[in-house]
Amino acid sequence: SQKIEQNSEALNIQEGKTATLTCNYTNYSPAYLQWYRQDPGRGPVFLLLIRENEKEKRKERLKVTFDTTLKQSLFHITASQPADSATYLCALDLYNTDKLIFGTGTRLQVFP
Amino acid sequence: DAGITQSPRYKITETGRQVTLMCHQTWSHSYMFWYRQDLGHGLRLIYYSAAADITDKGEVPDGYVVSRSKTENFPLTLESATRSQTSVYFCASSESGTRNYGYTFGSGTRLTVV
Repeated sequence: SQKIEQNSEALNIQEGKTATLTCNYTNYSPAYLQWYRQDPGRGPVFLLLIRENEKEKRKERLKVTFDTTLKQSLFHITASQPADSATYLCALDLYNTDKLIFGTGTRLQVFP
Repeated sequence: DAGITQSPRYKITETGRQVTLMCHQTWSHSYMFWYRQDLGHGLRLIYYSAAADITDKGEVPDGYVVSRSKTENFPLTLESATRSQTSVYFCASSESGTRNYGYTFGSGTRLTVV
């Protein structure tokens, strides 16, 4: 069956450390992969997208990798801050469709 | 987000009633989407629209109806609400599918069916 898996357990890290979140998928062939941030009571906010032929993408303190062989994307936040605490969602953009399929998200908690 | 507005923000309705959730965007984005978000399921696509008068089913369309007579509006109607439709509903828009742009989401409507 088709699945997108993100760690359902919260990730707790100390301020200043690098947070790494994982998105694994099975039986999908995405053309693109996107990452979103969601705060409690709010809609998701788009952060980054990476194409299947890109290995890595950076934006300020954010870095995303995309390994189509492993069927995995890693999302890194360097020098993490308490303000980075939120739920992070990955989403697959499949070939020949115009819609995203979302994972269930991983909650990140950065403590001082 | 400022450019996409959902209303109402909260809604309580009774089983069997019809209820309409509104979504309005100010960017003239071609694509609009309705998702529901439930614990353990994440965001699931209900319906989407590539342009005015063009709509298509998503993953969980049963019990829902959509229309898009104008580019900026994409209302979602629950024809006869059931308790299983208690959820948080998000509307989103995108300039051109998803190839180069992410989605912009509204703040959501929390719907409770009693």
